[in-house]
Amino acid sequence: DTGVSQNPRHKITKRGQNVTFRCDPISEHNRLYWYRQTLGQGPEFLTYFQNEAQLEKSRLLSDRFSAERPKGSFSTLEIQRTEQGDSAMYLCASSPRGAGGPRGSNEQFFGPGTRLTVL
Amino acid sequence: GESVGLHLPTLSVQEGDNSIINCAYSNSASDYFIWYKQESGKGPQFIIDIRSNMDKRQGQRVTVLLNKTVKHLSLQIAATQPGDSAVYFCAVPGSGGTSYGKLTFGQGTILTVHP
Repeated sequence: DTGVSQNPRHKITKRGQNVTFRCDPISEHNRLYWYRQTLGQGPEFLTYFQNEAQLEKSRLLSDRFSAERPKGSFSTLEIQRTEQGDSAMYLCASSPRGAGGPRGSNEQFFGPGTRLTVL
Repeated sequence: GESVGLHLPTLSVQEGDNSIINCAYSNSASDYFIWYKQESGKGPQFIIDIRSNMDKRQGQRVTVLLNKTVKHLSLQIAATQPGDSAVYFCAVPGSGGTSYGKLTFGQGTILTVHP
C-alpha cells in the first residue's frame, strides 16, 4: 500500500496521560499535514510541514500539542496531559507540492486517521 | 479568515438520480476550491477541484460549478450509485504565502443513496 499510513488506528487513554501518533506520508511527498476531526464536523487544520520545517500552526494547537518531522519523512503528533476534549479523529495528509506546482493544485492525500478516546 | 458552509447537512436520493451538494464560502479572494468524499472509517478522498478562473469543471460523473458572484459552489453527481453514499466536504486553502497549505473544510453533507 503506497498511501498515507497512520498508527495506531485507535487509542484509548485516561485523562492526563500523554499520547503520540505517527504518520508516514506517501514517499515522494514533501508536505505533511495534521488535522483534527470531531463527530459531525469537517477536519480542522492543526499544522503542516514542508520537509522538516513546520510552516503553519493553528491556534487550535495548544501548548500541550507538539508535532515533529525530524527527517522530513514521517511525522509524530504528541498530546501531553490529555483532556476529554481531545477526543477526536486525528488525520494526517501529504501532498507532493504546494501552490505553484505543475498542477497548481493543493490536493492533499489523507490517511485513515487515528481515533483518540480520552476517558 | 476563511469559512465555508453547506446548505443541507443531509441529502437522500434514489439510485440513478442526480445529486447536488452545495457549499458557500466567505472569502471573495479564494481562488481554489476542492471537493472531498469521506466514507465511514476512512480519511477524506479528493474528488475534484476548480480554480476561480473557471465556472465549471467536469470529471467522471461529477461536475463542480462555481459562482463567484454569490460565493457559491456545487457538486453534481450524475446517476448516483450506492457507493456514492458518504459525507461530502468542500474545502478552500488559506490565502497568502504558507497559509495556502491550510485547508478549511465545511461541515459536510451526508449523502445517502437508496437502492
